[in-house]
Amino acid sequence: QKEVEQDPGPLSVPEGAIVSLNCTYSNSAFQYFMWYRQYSRKGPELLMYTYSSGNKEDGRFTAQVDKSSKYISLFIRDSQPSDSATYLCAMSATGNTPLVFGKGTRLSVIA
Amino acid sequence: DTGVSQNPRHKITKRGQNVTFRCDPISEHNRLYWYRQTLGQGPEFLTYFQNEAQLEKSRLLSDRFSAERPKGSFSTLEIQRTEQGDSAMYLCASSLGAAWTQYFGPGTRLLVL
Repeated sequence: QKEVEQDPGPLSVPEGAIVSLNCTYSNSAFQYFMWYRQYSRKGPELLMYTYSSGNKEDGRFTAQVDKSSKYISLFIRDSQPSDSATYLCAMSATGNTPLVFGKGTRLSVIA
Repeated sequence: DTGVSQNPRHKITKRGQNVTFRCDPISEHNRLYWYRQTLGQGPEFLTYFQNEAQLEKSRLLSDRFSAERPKGSFSTLEIQRTEQGDSAMYLCASSLGAAWTQYFGPGTRLLVL
């Protein structure tokens, strides 16, 4: 079992839909959680980051962490075609140490 | 602040050749990370530096791979005697001090024929 599991999709939604992306993990030491967006043939772009449990909101994006279930989520409201990309979850135990990534979920938002 | 830059962006080489990639982190970022990403997978950690010191190397980093960060600024990643299995995107990221947010460069895409 990999440390971080993420459904690779692809996930296809109509424009304006609410998108839910999720990761599960097995290492209970993870405390720092990040979401990256990666367009085709580009480097990952940091979208959201949270520490420990709870919610964080930034514009159309909301990140949630449930440490008791070892489950993290990213919600995208009012999805746009420009949101079409691969979304990667990443996490680490001690913050400024190497990240462990999920495989990424490929999202397509159809106009 | 121009972000993390990587050169070259693309490299095609023949099996057995040596290749070297360069990463320039965001200025003043003292931590620098190398990751490798293959198609359909997330990035996998290779090695990282704090200033010029190489603090950790992954088991993925065979002895054909070597990385340096001589003056604590830019870093190079060299692969000797390349193999077809080395074909991947090589990503560099940097972070500042105790900050735990890593910022990635555009990557170097390597194809070994």
